Amino acid sequence: GAVVSQHPSWVICKSGTSVKIECRSLDFQATTMFWYRQFPKQSLMLMATSNEGSKATYEQGVEKDKFLINHASLTLSTLTVTSAHPEDSSFYICSARNLLNRGLWDTQYFGPGTRLTVL
Amino acid sequence: GIQVEQSPPDLILQEGANSTLRCNFSDSVNNLQWFHQNPWGQLINLFYIPSGTKQNGRLSATTVATERYSLLYISSSQTTDSGVYFCAVVLRETSGSRLTFGEGTQLTVNP
Repeated sequence: GAVVSQHPSWVICKSGTSVKIECRSLDFQATTMFWYRQFPKQSLMLMATSNEGSKATYEQGVEKDKFLINHASLTLSTLTVTSAHPEDSSFYICSARNLLNRGLWDTQYFGPGTRLTVL
Repeated sequence: GIQVEQSPPDLILQEGANSTLRCNFSDSVNNLQWFHQNPWGQLINLFYIPSGTKQNGRLSATTVATERYSLLYISSSQTTDSGVYFCAVVLRETSGSRLTFGEGTQLTVNP
């Protein structure tokens, strides 16, 4: 149980285009999903917290108009990188918090990541 | 904000050796997780361990919350253990599950 999928697993796009990444919890409901970015040889940095049915909460320094997040259901969150540029090239990872484990003592389950390359 | 420090940053072992990875954190935490990121980038949950000791096969972990550190033990290491090991915590004062990651330990196990 507790499987999270991401699609696509990798994407190459031209500068100026937009890219949408999907994050799905396959066997549980997730009221909260998280989006992280990881540059090569670095740790994961939280970009935003996505709550079902409400606006996402962005971390300081993350442009909300550039990284659009939609959490339309309890099993799906999407991240759209708008007008992508080469500096947006990175590994994007989502995680989901199991609704049934709501409370202080719970765990996050991570998707396999999406590698974005902007030419 | 909360700081999470992991040591060592890099570790090279021969297959069969044992190792200990350390995670220090600067404030009280509600949640502490250990992850293994494999060479393809997938983060694998190893332990949810805000306190106490847990074991799973060749891996075990101990968190001493009062002293603000956690240890991950790997025994009889195998080449498939290679990858980056991350410690991540949730600050006690936060209401959500916002994880803060350490910088990771890059483990290489040679045959």
